[in-house]
Parts: sequence; structure tokens; C-alpha cells
Amino acid sequence: QVQLVESGGGVVQPGRSLKISCAASGFAFSSYTMHWVRQAPGKGLEWVAFISYDSTNEYYADSVKGRFTISRDNSKNTLYLQMNSLRLEDAAIYYCTRGSPSDVDFDYWGQGTLVTVSS
Amino acid sequence: QSVLTQPPSASGTPGQRVTISCSGTSSNIGGHHVYWYQQLPGKAPRLLIYRNYQRPSGVPDRFSGSKSGTSASLAISGLRSEDEGVYYCAAWDDSLSGHGVFGGGTTLTVL
Repeated sequence: QVQLVESGGGVVQPGRSLKISCAASGFAFSSYTMHWVRQAPGKGLEWVAFISYDSTNEYYADSVKGRFTISRDNSKNTLYLQMNSLRLEDAAIYYCTRGSPSDVDFDYWGQGTLVTVSS
Repeated sequence: QSVLTQPPSASGTPGQRVTISCSGTSSNIGGHHVYWYQQLPGKAPRLLIYRNYQRPSGVPDRFSGSKSGTSASLAISGLRSEDEGVYYCAAWDDSLSGHGVFGGGTTLTVL
């Protein structure tokens, strides 16, 4: 069965960096576009970024463009999100999702990893 | 403020039919498929409706979706207590070089 397991969340100070990961299993990871979606505490869902199956295309939300980088290692079936210059407003649960390019059809979600930005 | 507009709350009694609306523009709903997600308390979201009206396997046919122009709606018939949660609509948006957008979410209460 399809599984997406995020890890790497934690408490980080404003301005610092953090890299979170998503280990995928149960499907042909190298064939799918992958996305990150986040949810601030008590708030709604916000799309963050996607990367194409072969890493040739990346798209970002304006709120993270220039600070976050999405990447993947198909040999390890793992998706990453490098988050630099973190801001208080980046605090959220970050979900790894499977989807399509330039669409929001997230058919599988991980359980999420919590990123807290606090001084 | 979310790009897609949903009512913040909806409610109904068991067995009733409830509808949740989602309003957008020509750059998102007007030109792309609409998706609906259900988030139960303490859980990750789950895909409920894809490509405007299609249901993934395992989603009961009590849930249905529709789209017209720049608006979409989710209908839940035969309301059950386990339907309580937050429902989000979503679509791709062509503005600003392209990005995904969600509605603000509608909290459904089964009275």
C-alpha cells in the first residue's frame, strides 16, 4: 500500500534553516510528481511546492519562493524540502503528497511533520 | 484571505443533505478541475472528489461534486455523524506563473 512518511520537523529559530524529508513506498515513486502542502496551527491548507517526476520542473508558492527548495532522490524514494530564512509564519504541519504537475489532485498524503519557528 | 471562497461553516441533522459552495475566478476554477478534501479532527486531509465530480474508490456515493463556470459545490446526502470535519476545495491557478490554491475550509457540524 502507498505510504508517505515525513520526518525532520522540529523547533527552529527565525532566520535559520531546516530540511524535512518524506520517505515514499508502495508505488513507483520515480514516476510521480510530488508536492508539499502545509497547514499552520488551527488554519487551512496552503500549497507550497511541487517537483516533477524527473526533477526537471519545480513550482513554488510566492510565500516561499527564493527561500525553500524542493528536491527528490528517486534512488532513495525520498522527497525533500530545504527551508531557509525561516519566518514565524512558516510554522506549520508540512504534508508530503502525491499528485500531478500543475494540478492539485493529491491522492495520497503523509501524516505530516510539525515545524515550529520560535525564538 | 483564501483565493477560493467557501462558507466558514455548514450544518445539518443526520440523514439531511448539505451543500458546500466554492467560488473562484477564470484563472482557477474557470480553467481547471476542482478537487475536494475532507479533513477529520486530528487527521491528514483525504481526497474526496477529483476532477470536479469523480469519486476515488472507497468514497461513498453520498458525496458528490459539481462545477459550473467559476464555481463548484460539494453535496453530502444522508448526513452521518462521522462526516463532521473540515472540507476544502482546491484548484490550480494560472496567475503568478502557476500555483495551487485552496478554499479557506468549511467546518461541517452534524447536529
